[in-house]
Amino acid sequence: EVQLVESGGGLVKPGGSLRLTCTASGFSFITYSMTWVRQAPGMGLEWVSSISVGTTYIYYADSVKGRFTISRDNAENSLYLQMNGLSPEDTAIYYCTRVGKAFDLWGQGILVTVSS
Amino acid sequence: EIVMTQSPATLSVSPGERATLSCRASQSVSTNLAWYQQKPGQAPRLLIYGASIRATDIPARFSGSGSGTEFTLTISSLQSEDFAFYYCQQYNNWPPFTFGPGTQVDIK
Repeated sequence: EVQLVESGGGLVKPGGSLRLTCTASGFSFITYSMTWVRQAPGMGLEWVSSISVGTTYIYYADSVKGRFTISRDNAENSLYLQMNGLSPEDTAIYYCTRVGKAFDLWGQGILVTVSS
Repeated sequence: EIVMTQSPATLSVSPGERATLSCRASQSVSTNLAWYQQKPGQAPRLLIYGASIRATDIPARFSGSGSGTEFTLTISSLQSEDFAFYYCQQYNNWPPFTFGPGTQVDIK
């Protein structure tokens, strides 16, 4: 089955860190750029970060630049998002997405809650 | 950064009726425009890319049109499973990829 599955979310205190993992299956992970998109409670979709196949190109939204780091392990079919310096404004469901024809495959999402 | 706007914010439609959703870009995005559907508690799903190309397994009642700065998503005859949020997204000038604020299609 073609799918993306996120893990690693949870409750963290302001200033804390969390590492999200997205595991891909059913398709050739190594041939796709990948992206993280988030959605705050009751809000719309916000692009967070993207990474190319060979990690040559990496981009971040201004809202996370300097705090978040995207990476991938093509041998493990995995995408990661290291999140440091978390604030309540980072509370959201984080989706892993495949960049094919637009964002053509989405994971089910993982909730990250930043609260004291 | 390209700003995407959508109208209306909420669209109330009866089952079987036609729904027309609009999306506007602050500058031309050519046809590099996608539409996504999101139901409560679910991840978004790609409906349309390239402004008018239906994604895999998307029913023919969904159609997209437009180019440049003005785009439309039309649902020809609303089914019960179509009541959801719809987001447009440009991928012409990035980063950042930008989404519209969404249109909620609800039951009239």
